[in-house]
Amino acid sequence: QVQLQQWGAGLLKPSETLSLTCAVYVGSFSDYYWSWIRQPPGKGLEWIGEINHSGSTNYNPSLKSRVTISVDTSKNQFSLKLSSVTAADTAVYYCARSPVQLERPFDIWGQGTMVTVSS
Amino acid sequence: AIRMTQSPSLFSASTGDRVTITCRASQGISSYLAWYQQKPGKAPKLLIYAASTLQSGVPSRFSGSGSGTDFTLTISCLQSEDFATYYCQQYYSYPPITFGQGTRLDIK
Repeated sequence: QVQLQQWGAGLLKPSETLSLTCAVYVGSFSDYYWSWIRQPPGKGLEWIGEINHSGSTNYNPSLKSRVTISVDTSKNQFSLKLSSVTAADTAVYYCARSPVQLERPFDIWGQGTMVTVSS
Repeated sequence: AIRMTQSPSLFSASTGDRVTITCRASQGISSYLAWYQQKPGKAPKLLIYAASTLQSGVPSRFSGSGSGTDFTLTISCLQSEDFATYYCQQYYSYPPITFGQGTRLDIK
């Protein structure tokens, strides 16, 4: 059964803004942090940032100037915007959840969305 | 940022082998470490958290140990479905949450 379902534009031109949304179908929205993580082709995982139900965010300093993560609790959804994209932002983007507690691994992940930046 | 370094990056093994993957943190992270398995085209799957706690539904042939800066993931008897890439991740100090570079486990 679908637990996190994500969607968004898969092909962007340089300088455009990446926009993805993740809908949550599992668990209480307020019991978790909601993250975005990306993986360039053939490479490792990079955490982009997170948000909680009240809208409090943490971002990776390496991307902070270009990232906005927002939440819509009425729809149990959260979203990612990454501005001024370049080819280096080409990656599979995942949404994921982690519990609001000391032990906070990513226990559920979305299916991933491939985003390609090309002119 | 805390740097996570895995070794080896690539390892070849056979079904039935016992395999150990190492993850080292650039500074102490207590036991705030998780391990993930990723197969091609799929999202990572949580195997272990708190360095040694097995996630529900994960086979008992997987085990984790360590604290501070040095951690290991052991697969006691490799099955065909275990050939994948494994990542460690720290959640002790953030932002940013950081991952190791990955260890690809191939069939010998």
